Amino acid sequence: EVQLVESGGGLVQPGGSLRLSCAASGFTFSSYWMSWVRQAPGKGLEWVANIKQDGSEKYYVDSVKGRFTISRDNAKNSLYLQMNSLRAEDTAVYYCARVGHYTPDFDYWGQGTLVTVSS
Amino acid sequence: AIQLTQSPSSLSASVGDRVTITCRASQGISSALAWYQQKPGKAPKLLIYDASSLESGVPSRFSGSGSGTDFTLTISSLQPEDFATYYCQQFNSYPLSTTFGGGTKVEIK
Repeated sequence: EVQLVESGGGLVQPGGSLRLSCAASGFTFSSYWMSWVRQAPGKGLEWVANIKQDGSEKYYVDSVKGRFTISRDNAKNSLYLQMNSLRAEDTAVYYCARVGHYTPDFDYWGQGTLVTVSS
Repeated sequence: AIQLTQSPSSLSASVGDRVTITCRASQGISSALAWYQQKPGKAPKLLIYDASSLESGVPSRFSGSGSGTDFTLTISSLQPEDFATYYCQQFNSYPLSTTFGGGTKVEIK
């Protein structure tokens, strides 16, 4: 059974940093692109970042470029999101998602971890 | 960036009703579109990929159609468990970017 479990969320002050983790199991992690998607309270879904199977390609939504870094450790079956210079508008539930093998939809999602940026 | 506009933003319907949600792309995206269902406090669930292909395990009352710029998600006979928010997603420019529509909340009439 495919499982994605996020951790690392919490309350952080504006300008602070946080590192999210996503532990994957039930599939060959190293064979899939992975993504982070976020959802601000009461709002819609927003894609944040993608990373290729071997970590050689990474892409970001414009609003987080230069502040967030996506990475992965295939030996640990883990995905990460390093978030720096956090802003109030980064407050959201952050989901990790597996990208489909044949079409780049998000076929499995974690339960999400809440990041709150507030003083 | 490609924008997706969903309509309506919300609707009220009864059990057994046929429900149609539309998603319009700001430029042609072929069939690079997916639909998701999200219930309160839960992660989204993939329903439809490639505009019209039903994800494994999803009930056949869900169907998707369209290509280019105009797409629809249809629920042929609304069930109690279908009350949720639905999102479309385009992946025409993947992996450089991908975007979601604003969502359609389906509520009980």
